Amino acid sequence: GQQLNQSPQSMFIQEGEDVSMNCTSSSIFNTWLWYKQDPGEGPVLLIALYKAGELTSNGRLTAQFGITRKDSFLNISASIPSDVGIYFCAGHNTDKLIFGTGTRLQVFP
Amino acid sequence: DAGITQSPRHKVTETGTPVTLRCHQTENHRYMYWYRQDPGHGLRLIHYSYGVKDTDKGEVSDGYSVSRSKTEDFLLTLESATSSQTSVYFCATVSRPLSGANVLTFGAGSRLTVL
Repeated sequence: GQQLNQSPQSMFIQEGEDVSMNCTSSSIFNTWLWYKQDPGEGPVLLIALYKAGELTSNGRLTAQFGITRKDSFLNISASIPSDVGIYFCAGHNTDKLIFGTGTRLQVFP
Repeated sequence: DAGITQSPRHKVTETGTPVTLRCHQTENHRYMYWYRQDPGHGLRLIHYSYGVKDTDKGEVSDGYSVSRSKTEDFLLTLESATSSQTSVYFCATVSRPLSGANVLTFGAGSRLTVL
């Protein structure tokens, strides 16, 4: 089935560092979403992007909808321990929502 | 979390046994989805429902069936569980199809182990 390529697969960073992750696809999407999953929980929506080129922030998180509509980026500034978790991108096209494979983030104090 | 409750949260069963996972929502949402989550694969759609008694297959539907007899309940059944169905299963809802305005809200997940 169709999947999104998400990178990196995992990151180990120090508290206070900035984080960047991205998602790419061979297909065009109309909407890009970024979710975070805490251990033992379901994914929770962080940011939704609806237009190519759109840049949206949510606190320390900033995400961009790529101009080609085939990619998206998520940045986290000044990471803190509670940023630990798995981050998923998801692309929406017609009636399907396709998820990336996830980026596992570890933050060390 | 849109009032989504999944049960059971954890289950261990043996190969060949039937298993039913339940998703219950209190928001009167029309659309409901079942995903499975596996390392290296992210979340993959199993089945979804767009109303009572209206369901359709996702990308990994083989070995699974679903039923939606009431708006609030969406059941996922494994008729004869196999070890490859060991996974974490997530239910999700949205109040209308993704149209640029609404997005999926997920339950807490059901961890199934098939021995």
